[in-house]
Amino acid sequence: AQKVTQAQTEISVVEKEDVTLDCVYETRDTTYYLFWYKQPPSGELVFLIRRNSFDEQNEISGRYSWNFQKSTSSFNFTITASQVVDSAVYFCAVAQGGSEKLVFGKGTKLTVNP
Amino acid sequence: SQTIHQWPATLVQPVGSPLSLECTVEGTSNPNLYWYRQAAGRGLQLLFYSVGIGQISSEVPQNLSASRPQDRQFILSSKKLLLSDSGFYLCAWSSGMSNQPQHFGDGTRLSIL
Repeated sequence: AQKVTQAQTEISVVEKEDVTLDCVYETRDTTYYLFWYKQPPSGELVFLIRRNSFDEQNEISGRYSWNFQKSTSSFNFTITASQVVDSAVYFCAVAQGGSEKLVFGKGTKLTVNP
Repeated sequence: SQTIHQWPATLVQPVGSPLSLECTVEGTSNPNLYWYRQAAGRGLQLLFYSVGIGQISSEVPQNLSASRPQDRQFILSSKKLLLSDSGFYLCAWSSGMSNQPQHFGDGTRLSIL
């Protein structure tokens, strides 16, 4: 069975600071997929990124970057020069290859203060 | 483009009353559909998912049920609500292909009194 651990329950930073959200996953599958979602205060979940287990390239999208380390089973998310609008709960999730189901971590609540 | 609609946005119900939450998807056919519950301050719990009309998989035994009467319609129901059913309910869809991202509706905040 898959499991996702987001050890940081809450993080508080000041605007323009960089912040890294940790995600450690467990799976016995050789093929799996990792996801990050953002849940702003309004409640809906917004998809940010999907990464498959065969692609360890890091990815950058604007101020967002993701570091996938298969050796440590981690898929960390960094926000550079954080902004107040980044305040949200961020969820990491894993899915077994061929499965329709996502297993979510408990989320990290990020507060960016002006 | 695809859109997902979920209603109502908020609902206050007495204990023991019935429940019906509806979710519809537009702009795609034969989607996978999901119902999640998020209790206050907690992560997401998958309740039901469906890969086709009339096909429902239940993840957690409880007094809730789900139905998919049409391809793009997913309904969450209960005959008698419990206090523990309070929470934030999210519907999601993904394409029928494996491991595609799930896209979520705006959610329904359900309070049981």
